[in-house]
Amino acid sequence: DTAVSQTPKYLVTQMGNDKSIKCEQNLGHDTMYWYKQDSKKFLKIMFSYNNKELIINETVPNRFSPKSPDKAHLNLHINSLELGDSAVYFCASSSGGGYSTEAFFGQGTRLTVV
Amino acid sequence: DQQVKQNSPSLSVQEGRISILNCDYTNSMFDYFLWYKKYPAEGPTFLISISSIKDKNEDGRFTVFLNKSAKHLSLHIVPSQPGDSAVYFCAASGGNKIIFGKGTRLHILP
Repeated sequence: DTAVSQTPKYLVTQMGNDKSIKCEQNLGHDTMYWYKQDSKKFLKIMFSYNNKELIINETVPNRFSPKSPDKAHLNLHINSLELGDSAVYFCASSSGGGYSTEAFFGQGTRLTVV
Repeated sequence: DQQVKQNSPSLSVQEGRISILNCDYTNSMFDYFLWYKKYPAEGPTFLISISSIKDKNEDGRFTVFLNKSAKHLSLHIVPSQPGDSAVYFCAASGGNKIIFGKGTRLHILP
């Protein structure tokens, strides 16, 4: 049973399209994250949600809108996709922020914008 | 503005020898430090962590050392094995987020 699962694994789309990436965790964690790994392999936090509430938004463009329908899900919707959005996006979860240690990651979604 | 820095993009070590991966941080408010291992086409997986109140944590072949005054931590792997070849991310936790370094690619040579 996969702890953190995200779909799709690969996503190829044209500039200007709107797309969503889904993430689900079955670990009972309170905190979920989205990370972006760009072409330079830098793993950078985008958003952090705790109990469905947005905790952190790291100066991500408004075209990116996370949605957390419940504690176990954190989906990422991207409007008007641009070439620079091409990257691998990782969803993760942990049992809490601050004091918490280990985050569990999904396998990643490779987004290619053409 | 990188709060967590891994200055060596890659490292090659002979099988059986010790691998030492280094990491520096700038924010004194971090309360946990972690190491993650990542294989291609997979998400990072947790390896070992250390609380900011400790200076050493050991788990099998993996030991993490923390020097708070220098804002430096290191991961020691001994003996290094072929399966250790991967990208290693140093991370720091605090304030509801986990900040990652850029990673160091470790190659274990036969």
